Order: sequence, then C-alpha cells, then structure tokens
Amino acid sequence: DAGITQSPRHKVTETGTPVTLRCHQTENHRYMYWYRQDPGHGLRLIHYSYGVKDTDKGEVSDGYSVSRSKTEDFLLTLESATSSQTSVYFCAITSDRGLGYTFGSGTRLTVV
Amino acid sequence: GQQVMQIPQYQHVQEGEDFTTYCNSSTTLSNIQWYKQRPGGHPVFLIQLVKSGEVKKQKRLTFQFGEAKKNSSLHITATQTTDVGTYFCAGPHDYKLSFGAGTTVTVRA
Repeated sequence: DAGITQSPRHKVTETGTPVTLRCHQTENHRYMYWYRQDPGHGLRLIHYSYGVKDTDKGEVSDGYSVSRSKTEDFLLTLESATSSQTSVYFCAITSDRGLGYTFGSGTRLTVV
Repeated sequence: GQQVMQIPQYQHVQEGEDFTTYCNSSTTLSNIQWYKQRPGGHPVFLIQLVKSGEVKKQKRLTFQFGEAKKNSSLHITATQTTDVGTYFCAGPHDYKLSFGAGTTVTVRA
C-alpha cells in the first residue's frame, strides 16, 4: 500500500549474523508494528511502537530488538540470526489503535 | 492472554458455491477486524465490526459480529476465483491486534 515500505524485500543471511529490517512510513501514523508470518501460525506480533522512542514487546520478541528514533522509521534487528527466524516479516501502521492496519509488502528472510 | 481462533484452517470451494469461516475469541472484543491476504501478498484490511450483532456487507461478502462480541463470521456467496487467499480475523487488545491463524481458501473452477 502507498505510504508504507519495507526494505529489503528479500534477504538471505548466515546464522549468527546481525540483520536489520526497515519499515518506513509517510503517513505520520503514531502506531507501528512488526509481525512475523509462518505457516500454521498466522501473524504473530514481535514488537510494536506507540510513538517515537516508545516501544514494547509482543508475543514472540525473544531474539529481536527494535528502535524508533523518528516517526517514519521503525527498525527491527535480529541480534544474532538463527534458522528459527527464517520467516516473512510484515510491518504495519495505524493512526489509532482501534482502527484497521495498513501492512507493508513484507520482507522474506532466510537464515542459512 | 487474548486468543483468537479461526475455523476451518482450509476451505476448498467449488466456484459458485457459498462458504462461511468462523472466528472465536477467548475474551469479549471491543471490535473485530477482517483481513484478506492473496497468495504471495500482504494482509489487506477489509472491514471492522464494532456493535453487538452487527452485520455488514461488501458485495458477496457478509460479515457478522456475535451478540456477545466474542465471535464473528465471514460468509461468501457465489465464490469466484478472485476470492482465493487467506482470510484473517483480528481482535484488539491494548495497543495491538491478535490475529487468528487464518482460513486459506482455494477455489475449483
């Protein structure tokens, strides 16, 4: 959707290396989220942000960290990638926590 | 914590037939949202239901929110090949949405 972009779209990395995924929005929305999607598990929340420098953990946050130094950017870092972190990662935004989310196109990450 | 369950996980439908997918929450929801994800794509917001017993329609899709605001359904009439994809329901909790595992729909022409 217009207004939210994720980079990179695809990445292959080696076990033990750090990886950073970027979510960029031009909507000036307050709330940003990182989800991972795996077969049979739907969308599981990793971390979320409710403002600049305001972040919190989701249900599957172990092994991940986030930063939000600007409204428009929400970074997800895998400190030391493991094969279990092979997944599709989606960023989402919303202007109000009760409203529908707009998702980015996703990043397909493979850890070998 | 809040859990959202969806059934069935898979739905194989003959083109032209109707089907329904169901969503159940372990807790009362302030609202329920539905999303569609096409194969290889990203989830796209379809609709939000807020009121107890609310029914909303989008062309051949009918969304319903239960009286107790703990369950919801999506009914598709006269299924078309364009309906292929995974349909997710989601319920809000604090700042975040909890998604069901989704119903993946395939259509036989």
